[in-house]
Amino acid sequence: DGGITQSPKYLFRKEGQNVTLSCEQNLNHDAMYWYRQDPGQGLRLIYYSQIVNDFQKGDIAEGYSVSREKKESFPLTVTSAQKNPTAFYLCASSRSAGGGMNTEAFFGQGTRLTVV
Amino acid sequence: SQQGEEDPQALSIQEGENATMNCSYKTSINNLQWYRQNSGRGLVHLILIRSNEREKHSGRLRVTLDTSKKSSSLLITASRAADTASYFCATVGYSGGYNKLIFGAGTRLAVHP
Repeated sequence: DGGITQSPKYLFRKEGQNVTLSCEQNLNHDAMYWYRQDPGQGLRLIYYSQIVNDFQKGDIAEGYSVSREKKESFPLTVTSAQKNPTAFYLCASSRSAGGGMNTEAFFGQGTRLTVV
Repeated sequence: SQQGEEDPQALSIQEGENATMNCSYKTSINNLQWYRQNSGRGLVHLILIRSNEREKHSGRLRVTLDTSKKSSSLLITASRAADTASYFCATVGYSGGYNKLIFGAGTRLAVHP
């Protein structure tokens, strides 16, 4: 079954803790993305990666970090520097980021992070 | 900042009616895409229109693109209760040496039986 998998579905974080959200795809896609969605809002780009071992900051990268050591994996760490991390996090992948039909994105089912 | 902005923010219609959502964007694009999101779920790709295309159809969906006005519209014909969801436009734009996929704020569509 090809697809993109996010885990866990729900995550609770204590103040001052770092947490890592997992995103794995078996679609052989080069590009991967992390978005944050707040209630009733659109998606804001956190980080994106067009190829293994390379990634760029999106519009709201502060307080987040990523790695792209393998093509199929793009984990997101929410650090203690992120002051308001409670949100719905969505990971996506596309065949490429270079434009055209290959930029159609496939999404995971999301991780809902709550600070307790 | 977000590339695309949808209008209206919310739309409520009866089954069988048509629903039209609009999207505006700020910079030049390679293509524009529309996605659907059911509550609390991931997004699903609906349709992609290239910058050199003006109109595209897929089933009950019709998308138009006006690059001179930097705007697009999504029309859902003969709507059904199952079309109730949020709809987002997304643009692929070139910035700082990279292409990235940017989403708008979305339109929440409610279709009443």
